[in-house]
Amino acid sequence: AQSVTQLDSQVPVFEEAPVELRCNYSSSVSVYLFWYVQYPNQGLQLLLKYLSGSTLVKGINGFEAEFNKSQTSFHLRKPSVHISDTAEYFCAVSEWNRDDKIIFGKGTRLHILP
Amino acid sequence: GAGVSQTPSNKVTEKGKYVELRCDPISGHTALYWYRQSLGQGPEFLIYFQGTGAADDSGLPNDRFFAVRPEGSVSTLKIQRTERGDSAVYLCASSPNQGRVTDTQYFGPGTRLTVL
Repeated sequence: AQSVTQLDSQVPVFEEAPVELRCNYSSSVSVYLFWYVQYPNQGLQLLLKYLSGSTLVKGINGFEAEFNKSQTSFHLRKPSVHISDTAEYFCAVSEWNRDDKIIFGKGTRLHILP
Repeated sequence: GAGVSQTPSNKVTEKGKYVELRCDPISGHTALYWYRQSLGQGPEFLIYFQGTGAADDSGLPNDRFFAVRPEGSVSTLKIQRTERGDSAVYLCASSPNQGRVTDTQYFGPGTRLTVL
């Protein structure tokens, strides 16, 4: 069965600094990968997804993620964060042969410091 | 257009009581999902509907949990004999087409259930 590990529960970053949120997955088959964001008092929203093709995926709000099959990782990056990026970020995985179900990680809370 | 809505936004109940949580998906979306998010955890899959039928209910923790979607739109998650461990935020999501995860899931704001 697939699983997702988000290595950091909280990440503090100064405004305008770069950030990387780490995500590793475990699966015996090929996968789809996702990053979702949950802003304060709002519902989950899809940031980006990897289905196939280019391993570098660009999403909304300047975020991007790179699929690395050999390291089973899908880390999320942004070159310069803003106070509005304060939120909880969830990495998620779905297996190709069970593509009706998404398994989420525990989340990483991004704190933007002024 | 309107997004996914969930009612109530908050529900406080006593141990042993019965509760119903409602989800109104985006109009026209055929796939509907329920998740449970406990404190400090990511969303945990409960059940997935394709139209009126439950295509996958493998995430329901036990037979106290049941969900319906009689007309293929609104869904109700029903919890019998609630326990304190059922306290969580219950999320609903909908997606168009065949409900494959390659389709974007649109989440509602959730219902926060507290069992005293």
